Amino acid sequence: GESVGLHLPTLSVQEGDNSIINCAYSNSASDYFIWYKQESGKGPQFIIDIRSNMDKRQGQRVTVLLNKTVKHLSLQIAATQPGDSAVYFCAEPGGYQKVTFGTGTKLQVIP
Amino acid sequence: DVKVTQSSRYLVKRTGEKVFLECVQDMDHENMFWYRQDPGLGLRLIYFSYDVKMKEKGDIPEGYSVSREKKERFSLILESASTNQTSMYLCASSPRRGPSYGYTFGSGTRLTVV
Repeated sequence: GESVGLHLPTLSVQEGDNSIINCAYSNSASDYFIWYKQESGKGPQFIIDIRSNMDKRQGQRVTVLLNKTVKHLSLQIAATQPGDSAVYFCAEPGGYQKVTFGTGTKLQVIP
Repeated sequence: DVKVTQSSRYLVKRTGEKVFLECVQDMDHENMFWYRQDPGLGLRLIYFSYDVKMKEKGDIPEGYSVSREKKERFSLILESASTNQTSMYLCASSPRRGPSYGYTFGSGTRLTVV
């Protein structure tokens, strides 16, 4: 069936380095994706989104890349900080704005 | 600051009890959702509502029901709690139309059924 999923469950990164979190999707008709960040004890929060007519979108210290050929997207975090430690989800909105979430990647920032 | 508020952060209930999880949003959103979150399984949609008194089953509705009597409040009901319903429950809301960054989550209720 259709799915939105992540390659790695846990990613450890040295403080100051760049982080890359990957996500694969299987529905070639998907046209919109969102990245969420979930800190411990909190609900997921929107980080950045991208539409299928774009290959790249930049925010503050974050960049999302979309490769429609291989159905893959990634979230890049520049100069990773301790406050970036969280679980990151890629997600795909559906009808009524229902959102299908991947299983998440835990980012651990090493001081 | 707009928010989605879940009434309890932690709950411990006994098997067979009827459990109510409450969610209130102050953003005048039409859509409201209940998810459960389990390690390795991510977020799974239980039920959602796109209007007052309207409800739709999500991916895992078995063992749950919901109530939406007022626009701002969406309740999740476990008719007879079981240990396999031990989980983190997350409520969310969104406007009917508009970008999905309007999709706002509460902080979650961690339910333990013993």
